[in-house]
Order: sequence, then structure tokens, then C-alpha cells
Amino acid sequence: AQKITQTQPGMFVQEKEAVTLDCTYDTSDPSYGLFWYKQPSSGEMIFLIYQGSYDQQNATEGRYSLNFQKARKSANLVISASQLGDSAMYFCAMREGGNAGNMLTFGGGTRLMVKP
Amino acid sequence: GAVVSQHPSRVICKSGTSVKIECRSLDFQATTMFWYRQFPKQSLMLMATSNEGSKATYEQGVEKDKFLINHASLTLSTLTVTSAHPEDSSFYICSARGHSKNQPQHFGDGTRLSIL
Repeated sequence: AQKITQTQPGMFVQEKEAVTLDCTYDTSDPSYGLFWYKQPSSGEMIFLIYQGSYDQQNATEGRYSLNFQKARKSANLVISASQLGDSAMYFCAMREGGNAGNMLTFGGGTRLMVKP
Repeated sequence: GAVVSQHPSRVICKSGTSVKIECRSLDFQATTMFWYRQFPKQSLMLMATSNEGSKATYEQGVEKDKFLINHASLTLSTLTVTSAHPEDSSFYICSARGHSKNQPQHFGDGTRLSIL
């Protein structure tokens, strides 16, 4: 079974509007971390935001916020006030267990295209 | 933020050549480094996990003798693609993490390998 599922292969959003990128996960481990990365066409992976399974509040980092719904096992990324530079691939990833050395499992990604 | 340097960024070489890719953590000690492979328009697939001073742990289906990984120090891991063939052409990207449990993996900028 897929551990990380991103159901939106591609999305369009109008510049300056907010957009939500979906991510659902599957784990039986009570301790896990959820990450979002941005990958522009140049290929590098840029860390955006992190949510721990025991965190009480949703993570926020500037224009990025994570809508963490633990019971639903979802960790959607919300980008507010979209900018043209936000056009990229976005990957949701999960790290299971409390050991930071554990590997990341990635979702299939969502290509976001911001329209001027 | 933490910086991971990956070199070279682009390699084009003939079939049968061995190619070495370096991954360095510039401002933190990376106990664990990860090597990923990414095919066009696909997600990242973990190839192997390397811990400083010990043998790398390879994912199922990844040939150890084909993809040699050396993690000689806390700041350097290398991936050598031995006797590369056209099917090895891909985007290879490394990541490293520090000691803190909640730290994200920081990625290098990737290496685009093209075997003629």
C-alpha cells in the first residue's frame, strides 16, 4: 500500500490566490514526521515545512501552512498569496519512527502552475 | 540554513565509464546521508542509506556493486556509478541530516547523469 498519496498530479492557481495541495499518509507508528519539499524545474529540493505527529498546532512558515488532520491522516499544504515563483513540483514526505536517521518516503508529487 | 553541496551538477559520458558523485554537508555533521534517484516526472526513489564509517544499506532492487557508496567522514559521502550504461541515465540527488530528531533532510542540488 502507498504510504504517502498525493492525489493531484497537477494544479493551476491564479496568482495571489491561495492553493491547497493534498497529502494523505498511512502509518501505524505513533511517532512520525511529515515534510513538504518544493522542487523547481532546476531540480533541487527545497525544504518548506515540517509537522511532527505529536505537535499540537499546525505548522506555519511564512506563506506556507500545514493543515494537519491526524484522525484523517492528512497533511495538506496551503500556500497563501501564490506567486509565479511558486510554480514547481511539490512533494509530501513522511519519516516514521522517532529516529531522525530513518528514511523519507515520498509521495508522487503535485505539479503546481501559477497563472499570471 | 544547512547547506549540502553535490558535485558535479551535470555529467555526460560514454557507456562503460565510471562516474563519481560527491555529497558534502558544509555547515553541519551529517551522521546519515541518503542517495535518491529520480526519473523524469517521477518522485524520488531511495537507493541507499549511508552512515558514517559503516557500510551503506541498499534498498531492494538496487545493485550494490553497481552503485558504490562510501561515507568516509561526517561531511562527505560519495556515490560511484560503475561501468555506467544508458539505462543508468537519471537525476541523482543526495540528502543529509543532522543530529536533531526534528531536523529535515537537507538536499544537494542533484546530479544529472547522461550516458551516451
